[in-house]
Amino acid sequence: NAGVTQTPKFQVLKTGQSMTLQCAQDMNHNSMYWYRQDPGMGLRLIYYSASEGTTDKGEVPNGYNVSRLNKREFSLRLESAAPSQTSVYFCASVMAGSYEQYFGPGTRLTVT
Amino acid sequence: GENVEQHPSTLSVQEGDSAVIKCTYSDSASNYFPWYKQELGKRPQLIIDIRSNVGEKKDQRIAVTLNKTAKHFSLHITETQPEDSAVYFCASLGDSSYKLIFGSGTRLLVRP
Repeated sequence: NAGVTQTPKFQVLKTGQSMTLQCAQDMNHNSMYWYRQDPGMGLRLIYYSASEGTTDKGEVPNGYNVSRLNKREFSLRLESAAPSQTSVYFCASVMAGSYEQYFGPGTRLTVT
Repeated sequence: GENVEQHPSTLSVQEGDSAVIKCTYSDSASNYFPWYKQELGKRPQLIIDIRSNVGEKKDQRIAVTLNKTAKHFSLHITETQPEDSAVYFCASLGDSSYKLIFGSGTRLLVRP
């Protein structure tokens, strides 16, 4: 049982490049989330998926897209990376009937 | 929109002393209030949570109190130890049952 996994762990992009951050969970959780964490600003919700087949915007969705590929996987795509997207990205999942969020190990992204 | 304010941003205590971190929230419909601990370079992990129908909850050296009238909740750590040093985040469940709103974090340092 690996819990929530994220790939890659680290990534450096140039401005304008695109990439997809991958997230998978093996706990049969229904809801999945993407956050970004910046110094002094806590965790801010980018997008979430309440269940397979649905996605919704969070606080800071601009510049990002998501895909809930199946119940296990929830990916985050940056179509044209900008320096303002330099951050640590965390994926999380929640079991049906619970509120506790289980976080992945994070992806540290630098955009130059 | 929904907002959670957290104070202080940094807190330094002597080992064995108590530490208190306070949060206020804006959404009067919020009904779930978790606290997460994040060690350096690691993922956030839930340490305690409280529902709106309870005023206080304890788990060994950790306690959380909730004042729904004032829209305040607090984390209390007694007999602090060096391993308590970390960043602590409060959060509240917003108007949707899926979206957690996080505070900006408190960096706790426990001096040996």
